[in-house]
Amino acid sequence: DAKTTQPNSMESNEEEPVHLPCNHSTISGTDYIHWYRQLPSQGPEYVIHGLTSNVNNRMASLAIAEDRKSSTLILHRATLRDAAVYYCILGRAGNMLTFGGGTRLMVKP
Amino acid sequence: EPEVTQTPSHQVTQMGQEVILHCVPISNHLYFYWYRQILGQKVEFLVSFYNNEISEKSEIFDDQFSVERPDGSNFTLKIRSTKLEDSAMYFCASQGESNYGYTFGSGTRLTVV
Repeated sequence: DAKTTQPNSMESNEEEPVHLPCNHSTISGTDYIHWYRQLPSQGPEYVIHGLTSNVNNRMASLAIAEDRKSSTLILHRATLRDAAVYYCILGRAGNMLTFGGGTRLMVKP
Repeated sequence: EPEVTQTPSHQVTQMGQEVILHCVPISNHLYFYWYRQILGQKVEFLVSFYNNEISEKSEIFDDQFSVERPDGSNFTLKIRSTKLEDSAMYFCASQGESNYGYTFGSGTRLTVV
């Protein structure tokens, strides 16, 4: 399975944008880039995913590098409720997801 | 918004006993999964299920584990003879189409004593 590399932790101030980076230099052409998050004591929650083009939804934006070897999850205005572990995962359609350690995002008031 | 429902939220069982964890996936979803997370560790894949059969399973999913979709709505995970090391949060997930995002349930905390 292609691997992803994320910082262990990041800090942000409330109401400021947050850019969470992910490197995936061995990504294959059929791998989707998925982002999930896990709030304390909860199950993983889908955030966003994409293949080649940048994606936006009500939760976040996903910026994918032209060579697809890296991507950035953008939270436009962090709130205290966004404090969670964010996972960047590569996955093929219909296949299981392999979770790594993710990035623990701390949001300061 | 549609949800994946898991019951019970917490199950305590004696070592060696059988347990069945229940999940109701989103009704029009086609792909179903079980994951687990031992306290303080990563989320680990157990098994995926599509078209009424297992499509993929991990090394963790040995002969002690089985899955069923008995009635077209429920999706169960059975552990035949629980061990202490089976204590974990177990998450069910479902997916509408193969390239969609997954929806996870809130989990069942299994404690084997």
